[in-house]
Amino acid sequence: DGGITQSPKYLFRKEGQNVTLSCEQNLNHDAMYWYRQDPGQGLRLIYYSQIVNDFQKGDIAEGYSVSREKKESFPLTVTSAQKNPTAFYLCASAFRENSYEQYFGPGTRLTVT
Amino acid sequence: AQSVTQLDSQVPVFEEAPVELRCNYSSSVSVYLFWYVQYPNQGLQLLLKYLSGSTLVESINGFEAEFNKSQTSFHLRKPSVHISDTAEYFCAVSDPQSYQLTFGKGTKLSVIP
Repeated sequence: DGGITQSPKYLFRKEGQNVTLSCEQNLNHDAMYWYRQDPGQGLRLIYYSQIVNDFQKGDIAEGYSVSREKKESFPLTVTSAQKNPTAFYLCASAFRENSYEQYFGPGTRLTVT
Repeated sequence: AQSVTQLDSQVPVFEEAPVELRCNYSSSVSVYLFWYVQYPNQGLQLLLKYLSGSTLVESINGFEAEFNKSQTSFHLRKPSVHISDTAEYFCAVSDPQSYQLTFGKGTKLSVIP
């Protein structure tokens, strides 16, 4: 089955620790995205990548880092510099020519205490 | 720059009643418009989209939305809701030259038996 997987579903970390969220897709999509979702805030773009080994900051990139070494994978690292890391994180992917039509993974809920 | 306003954060409605979820956007260029649905603790799914052509677009599960350029709106409607329609609905906009989606803050639809 083609799709986007995010793991784990739930993640707990202590404050001050870096944590990496996984996102894998087998849809042969060129573009991949990371969003953060907070209650009542909608989705805010963290980073996106249109091709391998290239990525751009979104609206709220501070405290996050990404890599795109393979077309299928776009991991997100939440660093200790992120002031309020507790949130629901969603990964998405799309074909580059139709990048507005994005397919979403199931999300990872990160709780930092 | 674009923005999306979803006028209602929560909409309760009785089963089998009609519903309208409102969405207004602002943009200096022509846009593509989308409605996504999110069931609890899941990712987003594309419900319907307007790219061009007929201003009335429909989904497979009975929802429809109408693009109104003069009012810069893209309201979502369903003539008779079901319990299974309970979810959060997000309106989104993209300009054809952009690789990004801009989301509204979402409307939580609660269908009351």
